[in-house]
This record gives sequence, C-alpha cells and structure tokens, in this order.
Amino acid sequence: KNEVEQSPQNLTAQEGEFITINCSYSVGISALHWLQQHPGGGIVSLFMLSSGKKKHGRLIATINIQEKHSSLHITASHPRDSAVYICASENTGNQFYFGTGTSLTVIP
Amino acid sequence: EPEVTQTPSHQVTQMGQEVILRCVPISNHLYFYWYRQILGQKVEFLVSFYNNEISEKSEIFDDQFSVERPDGSNFTLKIRSTKLEDSAMYFCASSEDRLNIQYFGAGTRLSVL
Repeated sequence: KNEVEQSPQNLTAQEGEFITINCSYSVGISALHWLQQHPGGGIVSLFMLSSGKKKHGRLIATINIQEKHSSLHITASHPRDSAVYICASENTGNQFYFGTGTSLTVIP
Repeated sequence: EPEVTQTPSHQVTQMGQEVILRCVPISNHLYFYWYRQILGQKVEFLVSFYNNEISEKSEIFDDQFSVERPDGSNFTLKIRSTKLEDSAMYFCASSEDRLNIQYFGAGTRLSVL
C-alpha cells in the first residue's frame, strides 16, 4: 500500500499569486497523477508524470523520484482555479492510491 | 471533444438489491477504471481493466463487485447485493494506454437506502 500525503489541506490565495501544492508518497511508483476536482464533483486529469517536469498553460508539475515527492504549481492564479487538487500514485501493477486533496480558493 | 459517459447520473436502490452502473469510455481507449468517492472522503481505486480482463483490483473490490465489457463499447460495474456503505459517487475513467492521462466520466451517485 502506498501512503499519499498532500499539503496543505486548505489554501486561500489572492488572485495573481503563485501557488504550490505538495504531494509525498511512501513507496516507489510507476507514475504520479495530478487531478482537479471541480466544486460540482467532476474530475479532470491535469498531469501524469514519472520523472522531471511537465507544463500546461499556467500549471507546472514536478516530481523527484529519489525524494518521493511531487509538486503542482499554479502561476498567476485566478478565481477559476478554485477547486480541489488531488495527487494519486500509480504502481507498476496499475493500482492507484489517492491523497485527500488540497482545497484551493482564489479570491479576486 | 470525446468524453466518457456514465449513466445513470443518480441511482437510488434498496439495501440488498443489485445495481449496474454503466460507462461508455472513449472509443479508441484500451484501459478502463472504476473509482468511488464516499461523500466527504477521498477518491478510492476499485479496479482497472484491460484486454477484457481485470488488471488490478483493490481490497474494496470484493466478491460483490464485478466488471464487464459486454459489447465492446459499454463498461459496467455491478454490485450484487448493495449495502448502506456502498453509497458513494462512482467514477469511470478510460485512457488510451498506460502512458497517457485518464479521462473521467461525470460520475454516478449511488444512494442505498
């Protein structure tokens, strides 16, 4: 079993701020997923990464395999970024363990 | 844009009844998943499915659960004898292969009374 921990649990930011959400996991993985869950409950995959860094628009995800740690960064945050951000580990057997999520609120 | 479709959006059932939750994955995708999220809790993995068989399942996915891809388009989750604690949002997801992100359906809210 892989323990996935996220921090912070809750985050409030002013519009335009740079945001970082952290995720750590306890055992080796084949990939790390970042997901966004909207207030209505829908889930969108943001990134899947196994090494290095990926960027999509204002979102950047990084992973350090040796330290078993990943971060999700949001540059120039906007109120529409308000959501729950979830990280999930995937092991080589195609099984997944989810963090409890970080609830982000961006205030105009 | 292609999407994963789940039906029904809300299912209400009596304890002990069988339910089937339906999903239509994106047409060229080969990997399929079911997850659940009990209200206020984290998302939990149930099962992954590839090449018409289960790849991996969690401890939650016991004998009362089964999955099927009956006709090459639908991907179903059956719960044989529902319990109160099965009340949750159930999400289906699919991916083109294991190296790509998953696409999630909007979910089916299951309420067991």
